[in-house]
Amino acid sequence: GNSVTQMEGPVTLSEEAFLTINCTYTATGYPSLFWYVQYPGEGLQLLLKATKADDKGSNKGFEATYRKETTSFHLEKGSVQVSDSAVYFCALTGNTGGFKTIFGAGTRLFVKA
Amino acid sequence: NAGVMQNPRHLVRRRGQEARLRCSPMKGHSHVYWYRQLPEEGLKFMVYLQKENIIDESGMPKERFSAEFPKEGPSILRIQQVVRGDSAAYFCASSPPGAGDNEQFFGPGTRLTVL
Repeated sequence: GNSVTQMEGPVTLSEEAFLTINCTYTATGYPSLFWYVQYPGEGLQLLLKATKADDKGSNKGFEATYRKETTSFHLEKGSVQVSDSAVYFCALTGNTGGFKTIFGAGTRLFVKA
Repeated sequence: NAGVMQNPRHLVRRRGQEARLRCSPMKGHSHVYWYRQLPEEGLKFMVYLQKENIIDESGMPKERFSAEFPKEGPSILRIQQVVRGDSAAYFCASSPPGAGDNEQFFGPGTRLTVL
């Protein structure tokens, strides 16, 4: 079945550092890929998405590229801020078998001032 | 356009009681999904419904849990005879019919605490 694996956290960075959170997936067909962010005590917010190979999703300085050859969708940001501290979830939604979203376990990011 | 709405936001139940969680999808959305998030874990799919139909319930526990999405009104996730292990955040998501990019829009969640 479909699955998502993302790097374990927590990840602790200083402000303005470069961020990479790795995400790889296993899926049949051609899934859509997403990154969601969850701030403490809140629900999930869509951060960015990509729907086909080589698409690059971007938002608020975050980027991720859909790499079919490596089945990866790594999240990057060139310069993190304290306000980026949150839990980040990589996810996929398949286009076969019912459209349910499969989430990675989440990576907690702490950014220090 | 209001987003996905869930209520209550927080729910406290004693063991053995029933919990009812409500989800109103975004306007024009006819697909609803329920997910459960245990503390410090990711979200796990529970059930996918369209109006009056359960499409995929492969993530639902076999006992005590049920879900519906009636023709009128919100979707309901019902947990009977709750146990401490049911304590979690329950998230609802919705999508419009024929969503080509399969994006789902999430509500703020209901945090269930079982005493």
